[in-house]
Amino acid sequence: EVQLVESGGGLVLPGGSLRLSCSGSGFTFSSYWMTWVRQAPGKGLEWVANIKKDGSEKYYVDSVRGRFTVSRDNAKNSLFLQMNSLRVEDTAVYYCAKDSGRKLTAFDYWGQGALITVSS
Amino acid sequence: DIQMTQSPSSLSASVGDRVTITCRASQRISSYLNWYQQKLGKAPKLLIYDASSLQSGVPSRFSGSGSGTDFTLTISSLQPEDFATYYCQQSYTIPLTFGGGTKVEIK
Repeated sequence: EVQLVESGGGLVLPGGSLRLSCSGSGFTFSSYWMTWVRQAPGKGLEWVANIKKDGSEKYYVDSVRGRFTVSRDNAKNSLFLQMNSLRVEDTAVYYCAKDSGRKLTAFDYWGQGALITVSS
Repeated sequence: DIQMTQSPSSLSASVGDRVTITCRASQRISSYLNWYQQKLGKAPKLLIYDASSLQSGVPSRFSGSGSGTDFTLTISSLQPEDFATYYCQQSYTIPLTFGGGTKVEIK
């Protein structure tokens, strides 16, 4: 059974940093692109970033580029999102998701989400 | 960026009704369109990928159609467990973008 479990959420001050982790199991982690999607309270879904199977390609939404860094450790079946210079508008539930196959594709499995609250 | 526009933003329907949700892309995206269902407090669930392919395990009452800029998600006979919010998502180009969602409520 495919499982994705996020950790590392919490409350952080504006301008602060936080690192999210996502642990994958039940599939060959190194064979799939992985993605971060976020959802602000009461709002819709927003793609944040994705990373190639071997970590050699990374893409970001404009609003986080230069502040967030996506990475992965295939030996530990783990995906990460380092978030720096956090803003109030980054407050959201962050989901990690497994890409279903090719580079740009649907997300066939999702984690339960980790809440990040940026507030003073 | 490609803008995805869903309509309606919400609808009320009864069990057994046929429900149709539309999604329009701001430019042509071939068939690179996916549909998700999200229930309150839960992660989204993939229903349809590449416009019309049913994800494994998803009931056959869900179907998708369209190509280019206009797409449709249809629920042939609404069931109690289908009351949720539905999102479309284009996987044609970066940044990947979602529609604003359609909330399906009980009439």
